[in-house]
Amino acid sequence: EAGVVQSPRYKIIEKKQPVAFWCNPISGHNTLYWYLQNLGQGPELLIRYENEEAVDDSQLPKDRFSAERLKGVDSTLKIQPAELGDSAVYLCASSSRTSGRANEQFFGPGTRLTVL
Amino acid sequence: AQRVTQPEKLLSVFKGAPVELKCNYSYSGSPELFWYVQYSRQRLQLLLRHISRESIKGFTADLNKGETSFHLKKPFAQEEDSAMYYCALSPPGGGNKLTFGTGTQLKVEL
Repeated sequence: EAGVVQSPRYKIIEKKQPVAFWCNPISGHNTLYWYLQNLGQGPELLIRYENEEAVDDSQLPKDRFSAERLKGVDSTLKIQPAELGDSAVYLCASSSRTSGRANEQFFGPGTRLTVL
Repeated sequence: AQRVTQPEKLLSVFKGAPVELKCNYSYSGSPELFWYVQYSRQRLQLLLRHISRESIKGFTADLNKGETSFHLKKPFAQEEDSAMYYCALSPPGGGNKLTFGTGTQLKVEL
């Protein structure tokens, strides 16, 4: 199995441009997470979905960030417009309540965003 | 508010030496604690969780509620243990809302 898939792996954009990241979780995983990881820091949760519902988006900067998971499978995270401080790695993870190791989060490879 | 502190950014040990990666937490209640690891050019992955009381790749971690610590230990370091290690905390009842520490880079030298 491919695990959590993220695209693109790298993205370089000019400030004020929009950018979008895509994530496809492990098949059957109903919970999907987006994390932000700044250099030298641990991942920080941006948003968590249970199926198609965003159940925790308290850390998502809603003025410029948005996310969707319309059919409860893959998800898109968008930034519009991007700022220099948004340069970071964006991680997607998924988990399942019914798996043998309940709620273990499986991470994707991340998208490294550079804003110039 | 919940918080995880990993005081060491870098820990360098020789092969065969004991390893202890420190983790302290702040949480009012009984959280669940985890160690995640990221090997070079690989994804972040779960190493172990305190409720499982397991030993993975020779690593163990004991939750000390009195000292609010969850240090990761291994008696004899191996070269393949070189990686970035993150301690994480979750409210009780599941690992859904993880708060990560800043990570410790472990370097095992020959």
